[in-house]
Amino acid sequence: GAVVSQHPSWVICKSGTSVKIECRSLDFQATTMFWYRQFPKQSLMLMATSNEGSKATYEQGVEKDKFLINHASLTLSTLTVTSAHPEDSSFYICSAEGDAAVSDTQYFGPGTRLTVL
Amino acid sequence: GDSVTQMEGPVTLSEEAFLTINCTYTATGYPSLFWYVQYPGEGLQLLLKATKADDKGSNKGFEATYRKETTSFHLEKGSVQVSDSAVYFCALSGGGTASKLTFGTGTRLQVTL
Repeated sequence: GAVVSQHPSWVICKSGTSVKIECRSLDFQATTMFWYRQFPKQSLMLMATSNEGSKATYEQGVEKDKFLINHASLTLSTLTVTSAHPEDSSFYICSAEGDAAVSDTQYFGPGTRLTVL
Repeated sequence: GDSVTQMEGPVTLSEEAFLTINCTYTATGYPSLFWYVQYPGEGLQLLLKATKADDKGSNKGFEATYRKETTSFHLEKGSVQVSDSAVYFCALSGGGTASKLTFGTGTRLQVTL
C-alpha cells in the first residue's frame, strides 16, 4: 500500500513553454501533498504544501506564479512550471500524506526529471 | 528551527562490511525521525522510522534507534550488499498530520565487491 505515482517520469521542453507534472496517490486518500525540488547531489528542498481544495502554501523564495500547484482531489495534485527556463531544470518529487487514521508518514513519488533547453 | 545533520559522504564499503551513517538533529518538541533511501534516478523510499524516544526502527536489515539524550538517529546495518548502494537521507517531522519534513543533506553509500 501507500503508492504514489508521478507522470511524466521525465520531460524535455523548450524555454518559454509550460510543463505540467501530475502526482497521484494510488491506494489512499492524500489530504496533503508536498512538492520538492532536488538539485544534483543535494538534498530535497520543499517548495510548497497543498491541501485538497485549498490554495497551496509556498515556502519562502518559491515563486507561486511560476510554480502553479493545484490539488483538485484527494488523489491528485499537479505542479505546472510556467514559462520554463533552463534554470528550472531539476528533479521534482512529490509526496503524499493521508489522514491520521492512515498514517503520519509521507510517501514519495518516483520523481520527474525536467530538462529545459 | 529544526535541522538535521548527517555525516558527509561518500561512504565506500566492501560487501559484508558493517555500516553506520550518523545522524543528529535539533528540534523543538518531540519529532518523529525517518530514514529514506534514494536509488539512482528514483524518488525517495521510506526505509524506517521511529516516533518516540528509545523506539527502534528496522527494515531490510537496517536499524536506527531514537536517542533523545544524544539527539541522534544513527543508521546501522550489520552486513551491506552491493544492492544497498544508494543515497540515504535522515529526516524529521514535527509530528501530527501534514507535518513538513526536514531533511539532512544525504549520505551516498557505495558498496563494492
